[in-house]
Amino acid sequence: GEDVEQSLFLSVREGDSSVINCTYTDSSSTYLYWYKQEPGAGLQLLTYIFSNMDMKQDQRLTVLLNKKDKHLSLRIADTQTGDSAIYFCAESYMNYGGSQGNLIFGKGTKLSVKP
Amino acid sequence: GAVVSQHPSRVICKSGTSVKIECRSLDFQATTMFWYRQFPKKSLMLMATSNEGSKATYEQGVEKDKFLINHASLTLSTLTVTSAHPEDSSFYICSAKKLAGQREQYFGPGTRLTVT
Repeated sequence: GEDVEQSLFLSVREGDSSVINCTYTDSSSTYLYWYKQEPGAGLQLLTYIFSNMDMKQDQRLTVLLNKKDKHLSLRIADTQTGDSAIYFCAESYMNYGGSQGNLIFGKGTKLSVKP
Repeated sequence: GAVVSQHPSRVICKSGTSVKIECRSLDFQATTMFWYRQFPKKSLMLMATSNEGSKATYEQGVEKDKFLINHASLTLSTLTVTSAHPEDSSFYICSAKKLAGQREQYFGPGTRLTVT
């Protein structure tokens, strides 16, 4: 079945770059997403990438996709304390009922930013 | 914008009682709403997909008689946890799509359910 894997923790110093990695198994995924969850809150879509792209940049965020290796990464440049949160990688898939566009999430990577 | 709210944000109930959680799209009409459950240190698990005016589609392993979903309007979906037990304690998150073919889901802030 579908599976999305992430490392659980990442700690960086303020001002450094953070790189959060994710691997997925479903080669038919059309879109891959990065979500941010702050403590006690829901999920906020940060960015997404279409499967025919290798890279997408959006301000401090850079997403790299290696479709051959089914590897996705999120790089946050100049990481700030406000970036401390859990980051979820997600891929879209067709659900049990046949509907497209549903999401399967990794377990999330907790990013801690030290001043 | 695309804002999704949930009510209540936190609820504590006794074992055996039922709890209803509301999910509302505040500034758009949601053709499809999703309900997720998040366990500690676990990913979000999709429980069911609900389309306005039709029965929800449940994921494998999710008991539809225990987790009742009603998507009565284009702005409201409800999840009722019936005969709640302590193992139902979790963080429940809903999301909504504006259009059926749209890929982006807008997430609510979540509801923390504690069953004592």
